[in-house]
Amino acid sequence: AQKITQTQPGMFVQEKEAVTLDCTYDTSDPSYGLFWYKQPSSGEMIFLIYQGSYDQQNATEGRYSLNFQKARKSANLVISASQLGDSAMYFCAMRGLYNDMRFGAGTRLTVKP
Amino acid sequence: SAVISQKPSRDICQRGTSLTIQCQVDSQVTMMFWYRQQPGQSLTLIATANQGSEATYESGFVIDKFPISRPNLTFSTLTVSNMSPEDSSIYLCSVEIGGMYEQYFGPGTRLTVT
Repeated sequence: AQKITQTQPGMFVQEKEAVTLDCTYDTSDPSYGLFWYKQPSSGEMIFLIYQGSYDQQNATEGRYSLNFQKARKSANLVISASQLGDSAMYFCAMRGLYNDMRFGAGTRLTVKP
Repeated sequence: SAVISQKPSRDICQRGTSLTIQCQVDSQVTMMFWYRQQPGQSLTLIATANQGSEATYESGFVIDKFPISRPNLTFSTLTVSNMSPEDSSIYLCSVEIGGMYEQYFGPGTRLTVT
């Protein structure tokens, strides 16, 4: 069975600083994808970044980067130069061979001015 | 990416009634997914809906309670049947674009059952 773990219920970061949101996973699928989504208070799910299990390089999208350590089964999200608008819930998710997407419990990020 | 719309955006329903949620995409997609997000919780996959085949339900979800239709490559519906207050959640549809690499979500339907 697949499992996604986010151990940080809440995180605080000062505006303009970088922050790392932790995510570990467990799967027996040989191929899988890892995702991060942002959910602001409006409730929409915003796709941020994707990492394939066979990708050699860490994914990056603007201020977002995914620190993928396959042997440790971790896929941490790094947000650089935090902005007030980054305050939201962040979900890590994994999709396996059978297309079932599993989400972690989420981390609530608060950016302080 | 894709533009995904859901109707209704929110509703308040009486116990024992049913509500059908619509999901419309602006491009043809093979795979569509339905999720539930209970208050303060993470997302849980209800079912996968591929055009031309029966929906595949996750453990804990059954077709009698959550019937799904997928009549074409741009549209799907999820019905929440015989509702109880425990069904109060946000229901989200999502679509796969470009293989398993990108999955985008609709704005969600916020359902309250009284």
